[in-house]
Amino acid sequence: EPEVTQTPSHQVTQMGQEVILRCVPISNHLYFYWYRQILGQKVEFLVSFYNNEISEKSEIFDDQFSVERPDGSNFTLKIRSTKLEDSAMYFCASSEEGVKNIQYFGAGTRLSVL
Amino acid sequence: AQKVTQAQTEISVVEKEDVTLDCVYETRDTTYYLFWYKQPPSGELVFLIRRNSFDEQNEISGRYSWNFQKSTSSFNFTITASQVVDSAVYFCALSEPYSKLTFGKGITLSVRP
Repeated sequence: EPEVTQTPSHQVTQMGQEVILRCVPISNHLYFYWYRQILGQKVEFLVSFYNNEISEKSEIFDDQFSVERPDGSNFTLKIRSTKLEDSAMYFCASSEEGVKNIQYFGAGTRLSVL
Repeated sequence: AQKVTQAQTEISVVEKEDVTLDCVYETRDTTYYLFWYKQPPSGELVFLIRRNSFDEQNEISGRYSWNFQKSTSSFNFTITASQVVDSAVYFCALSEPYSKLTFGKGITLSVRP
């Protein structure tokens, strides 16, 4: 069964460093999303991406965040200068066009900022 | 703005008991989708079910059943004859078509042997 793949599973970084979280969405999906979940809290939307551009973003997704689809398979989230409060689980999701509109999630990347 | 409320925070049951997880939502959209996701201790988010705003037909799938009522803006989820493997955090979520998911805070379900 096709699945969303995220790497790495755990990323440890120093405050102020740049990190890139990687995602390979399901191959025939056209809508891509990033969410984050601070430990013990609810899942929060960051950004959605369609047709090679951001379609929606939340207040959390400020100038230190960016997304990119560098090739036909990868979808990345970059945090330019990490802060302690960026420590969270980051989930990538994708969905196909059409009536199904179900977002399937990857296993997540746990980001720890020290 | 969309909002999802899961008033229950933690539920503990003994194996084989039935358990219902409540979800109440708010939206001004006429077309929307409702979802339940499961987050087991391993951390991934697993899709369980989607309902659209025009489909109030309730469904039973094995030990799972869902009760969608637009009149009360509720989308409740029942597990019949619970098992230890059902222990997880369960999230209710809401979205417009092709848009972000708005999640509730989640309900931690513990099923004791």
